[in-house]
Amino acid sequence: DTGVSQNPRHKITKRGQNVTFRCDPISEHNRLYWYRQTLGQGPEFLTYFQNEAQLEKSRLLSDRFSAERPKGSFSTLEIQRTEQGDSAMYLCASSPGTPTPRGYTFGSGTRLTVV
Amino acid sequence: SQKIEQNSEALNIQEGKTATLTCNYTNYSPAYLQWYRQDPGRGPVFLLLIRENEKEKRKERLKVTFDTTLKQSLFHITASQPADSATYLCALDGEGNNRLAFGKGNQVVVIP
Repeated sequence: DTGVSQNPRHKITKRGQNVTFRCDPISEHNRLYWYRQTLGQGPEFLTYFQNEAQLEKSRLLSDRFSAERPKGSFSTLEIQRTEQGDSAMYLCASSPGTPTPRGYTFGSGTRLTVV
Repeated sequence: SQKIEQNSEALNIQEGKTATLTCNYTNYSPAYLQWYRQDPGRGPVFLLLIRENEKEKRKERLKVTFDTTLKQSLFHITASQPADSATYLCALDGEGNNRLAFGKGNQVVVIP
């Protein structure tokens, strides 16, 4: 297993367009998390899945954001009608569940730029 | 409101010295606290986890303390090296232990 994989690494899109990111977690991890990070800030929680069930979604997440994890494997994060304020690094992480002495394993992220 | 505070100023330290970072939190009752390292343009990398009933944890040149009375964790890098230059993030479990909440991070620059 090569860790958590995210695609694409970079995405430039025009304002108003829809974008979709993919995350492939470590196969034996049943928990998957999406975070967003802007320059100089720590990762901000967006949503998380246990297997295929989306168990929590941040109150800060607008209705333009949706995430899925069909079959409890890979996950996608879609942003509809992108805005300049959506420009950020989108991070995916997975874990075996809590408590986990190994912490979260993060991917390298997808950097979104909305122009 | 809930807060996780890390020093916003970068820590510049001479190679070989011990770097000490502080993480203070408010209105959390974490069962555990974690520290991560993040390099520019990369995702965070897990370093250490310490549970609420543990006072101290070590891993190679790293040491973490956790004081639930002071609501504070200290992170030490001993015998620091230029390769230790990075941003270090403090994280603790949020409501219901379902996911981590992160601080803003503290940059460390080790000067050769």
